[in-house]
Amino acid sequence: KAGVTQTPRYLIKTRGQQVTLSCSPISGHRSVSWYQQTPGQGLQFLFEYFSETQRNKGNFPGRFSGRQFSNSRSEMNVSTLELGDSALYLCASSTGQGVDGYTFGSGTRLTVV
Amino acid sequence: AQKVTQAQTEISVVEKEDVTLDCVYETRDTTYYLFWYKQPPSGELVFLIRRNSFDEQNEISGRYSWNFQKSTSSFNFTITASQVVDSAVYFCALSEPNTGGFKTIFGAGTRLFVKA
Repeated sequence: KAGVTQTPRYLIKTRGQQVTLSCSPISGHRSVSWYQQTPGQGLQFLFEYFSETQRNKGNFPGRFSGRQFSNSRSEMNVSTLELGDSALYLCASSTGQGVDGYTFGSGTRLTVV
Repeated sequence: AQKVTQAQTEISVVEKEDVTLDCVYETRDTTYYLFWYKQPPSGELVFLIRRNSFDEQNEISGRYSWNFQKSTSSFNFTITASQVVDSAVYFCALSEPNTGGFKTIFGAGTRLFVKA
């Protein structure tokens, strides 16, 4: 079966711009979680969506938002980009029922200049 | 509070050595899950194992083994006879129930170098 697909793989944006990242989970998975990975902070939880509803949220400012569509695909949006938002953004797919291991996508590497 | 500590930032071993990666967690819940993930240089995290809080049995899978001890809040990972392909960053993670689902946090990771 197809894995978790994240697009785009790489992105370069200018400070102040906004960006939208996309994640298509494994077919049948209804939960999508987003993580930010940086060398200094490691993997930080952004939010989780399950059946089009945000179920959990990390400690990120409101500039970070997301949504999930009826086909379980998810997008995350970062507005008013800052240099510190440069990171690898990882999407994790799971059934969302019980606790199974995540299947991660390859990530989107965002560079803010 | 939910917390995962991987005190070893980097470990370097020579091929065929055994190596243990430490993971200590903090949680107030009695129901929780522990995980290990591997992130090779290609970047994609790969799920290795899941353990629930009620199952303290150790597990062995080939050269990999995991030691879960609730008394010390530890979930350590041992690679026996390490190989160059084991070089990666390894993450320990903790999932706790939260608002209808589970919230998962990760440790900072341990970078393992296996030299030929």
